[in-house]
Amino acid sequence: TQLLEQSPQFLSIQEGENLTVYCNSSSVFSSLQWYRQEPGEGPVLLVTVVTGGEVKKLKRLTFQFGDARKDSSLHITAAQPGDTGLYLCAGASNAGGTSYGKLTFGQGTILTVHP
Amino acid sequence: EAQVTQNPRYLITVTGKKLTVTCSQNMNHEYMSWYRQDPGLGLRQIYYSMNVEVTDKGDVPEGYKVSRKEKRNFPLILESPSPNQTSLYFCASSPGIFYEQYFGPGTRLTVT
Repeated sequence: TQLLEQSPQFLSIQEGENLTVYCNSSSVFSSLQWYRQEPGEGPVLLVTVVTGGEVKKLKRLTFQFGDARKDSSLHITAAQPGDTGLYLCAGASNAGGTSYGKLTFGQGTILTVHP
Repeated sequence: EAQVTQNPRYLITVTGKKLTVTCSQNMNHEYMSWYRQDPGLGLRQIYYSMNVEVTDKGDVPEGYKVSRKEKRNFPLILESPSPNQTSLYFCASSPGIFYEQYFGPGTRLTVT
């Protein structure tokens, strides 16, 4: 079974601070996605990374895929109250065997940004 | 409007009473899947389907059944629900596993 360890589980910061969320595994993933979920709703995709070492930016959010495609990070610069939510990473593999077709999610990071 | 719909949104039932949660998508997606979400555990995949008539177990399939008789529908069946299946359930669809997953609004199930 592939596992994705996400940290920290909770993050409470003040508006304007920077933060990083980590997503780590001992398994190699073909692609890794980051989702954001608000209360009462389903997760919504933020970004997909597929190449080792890839860096993608979405306004104040920077996503990085590790060189070995086993880990990823989400960095938010100058956090705002609107960034508050649950952030989830999800990995998929085309390695074949019993893992093919499965999508594995991390435990999630609950981010609260105080005004 | 492109969407994934789930019904019911809320359900309270008793142990052992069979239930079905429906999931339907109008985007002609090949891949559909079911997840349960519990505090501190993120989303855990229950079952997935790569295409019509093709289904496979996710990480937590025990106590659940699914079927994929047509592309748009992917119902989740609990033959004999138990209290440990109390959870928030999400259905999702996508063109494939490496593409964006579109999630339904969720079904909150309570089994007493």
